[in-house]
Amino acid sequence: AQSVTQPDIHITVSEGASLELRCNYSYGATPYLFWYVQSPGQGLQLLLKYFSGDTLVQGIKGFEAEFKRSQSSFNLRKPSVHWSDAAEYFCAVGGSFQKLVFGTGTRLLVSP
Amino acid sequence: GAGVSQSPRYKVAKRGQDVALRCDPISGHVSLFWYQQALGQGPEFLTYFQNEAQLDKSGLPSDRFFAERPEGSVSTLKIQRTQQEDSAVYLCASSLNGGGTDTQYFGPGTRLTVL
Repeated sequence: AQSVTQPDIHITVSEGASLELRCNYSYGATPYLFWYVQSPGQGLQLLLKYFSGDTLVQGIKGFEAEFKRSQSSFNLRKPSVHWSDAAEYFCAVGGSFQKLVFGTGTRLLVSP
Repeated sequence: GAGVSQSPRYKVAKRGQDVALRCDPISGHVSLFWYQQALGQGPEFLTYFQNEAQLDKSGLPSDRFFAERPEGSVSTLKIQRTQQEDSAVYLCASSLNGGGTDTQYFGPGTRLTVL
């Protein structure tokens, strides 16, 4: 069965510091991987996605993620965090039928 | 252009009442999804439509949950005889073609509270 693990429930990062959010997945075939961000009162917004090709994927708002098949990971990174990045981040895995399986999310707090 | 819209944004129901949640997808999007997001959790898949056909309803938690998309556009998620465990945010998403690599665009959700 498909599953996604986000081991960090909360992460606090100082503004301007780098960020890495962890995501591990379990999927029987070639996975399609996604990172979404959810701000309070708003819907989920896609940051980036991976389905083939270059394993380093660039997304919006300066985010990137690297697919590592050997580690079943798809970690999200940003070199310099801004206060506006404070939100909940969800990793998701899907396949050819598009049903997405989400992790439980990581809440990012940004300290001044 | 307009994104996915959902109504109402908030719904309070007494246990045992029926509720209907509406989703207006992005115009022209073939696929439509419903997810349930409990407090502190990630969204969980409920059901999926391609045009008016409901292709997957494996995530519906009980036969009290029913979804329809009769004309292949607007969709309604109906919950009969609501229970407290139905309290959650219900998210609707749409995508253009239904392929696995398509981006799903999410609405703001309907927060259902069952008293």
